[in-house]
Amino acid sequence: DTGVSQDPRHKITKRGQNVTFRCDPISEHNRLYWYRQTLGQGPEFLTYFQNEAQLEKSRLLSDRFSAERPKGSFSTLEIQRTEQGDSAMYLCASSATRTGPETDTQYFGPGTRLTVL
Amino acid sequence: AQKVTQAQTEISVVEKEDVTLDCVYETRDTTYYLFWYKQPPSGELVFLIRRNSFDEQNEISGRYSWNFQKSTSSFNFTITASQVVDSAVYFCALTNTGNQFYFGTGTSLTVIP
Repeated sequence: DTGVSQDPRHKITKRGQNVTFRCDPISEHNRLYWYRQTLGQGPEFLTYFQNEAQLEKSRLLSDRFSAERPKGSFSTLEIQRTEQGDSAMYLCASSATRTGPETDTQYFGPGTRLTVL
Repeated sequence: AQKVTQAQTEISVVEKEDVTLDCVYETRDTTYYLFWYKQPPSGELVFLIRRNSFDEQNEISGRYSWNFQKSTSSFNFTITASQVVDSAVYFCALTNTGNQFYFGTGTSLTVIP
């Protein structure tokens, strides 16, 4: 399967701990997005990469959150000093920049469910 | 500012009924893209359709059809002859540059056998 993959699928941590999630996009996709989704809500945009450059970051994103995409391939999202309010599903999506019907269409991974105790 | 509104929080229909999911969007841009995604109980968002702002032609794909009307800023989704497998949460989304995507809060559809 060559879709978007995320690891781990589930993470339980204690408040105050740091956590890191990984996303592997579809191989030919140069754009990568991170979202957060809480129960009953739609995905909320966190940040966006084009290749290795982080081009957009939500103003709602706390400075405890940081994301990287070294070499423009996989990406990591780190949350420092986790809080109970960080409990959510963290989704990764990727897309390609090209003309035609596939432009900007995002394909999502299965998500990482974070529970902060 | 970009915004997507899905006013229907939950819908229940009996199998084989038709159902329409509403999506209303706000944007000041003349170029934008609209999407529908399905999120089944397994959780993974599945792409259904993409439509750009210059193409108001309605689209039909099997039992699915989409009605895009710029005059009312709506991009509604109809499922004909619903099936139990259609039970899921459906999200409408909007982007202009492809840098940020704005999702609605979703409509939870339950198809009762």
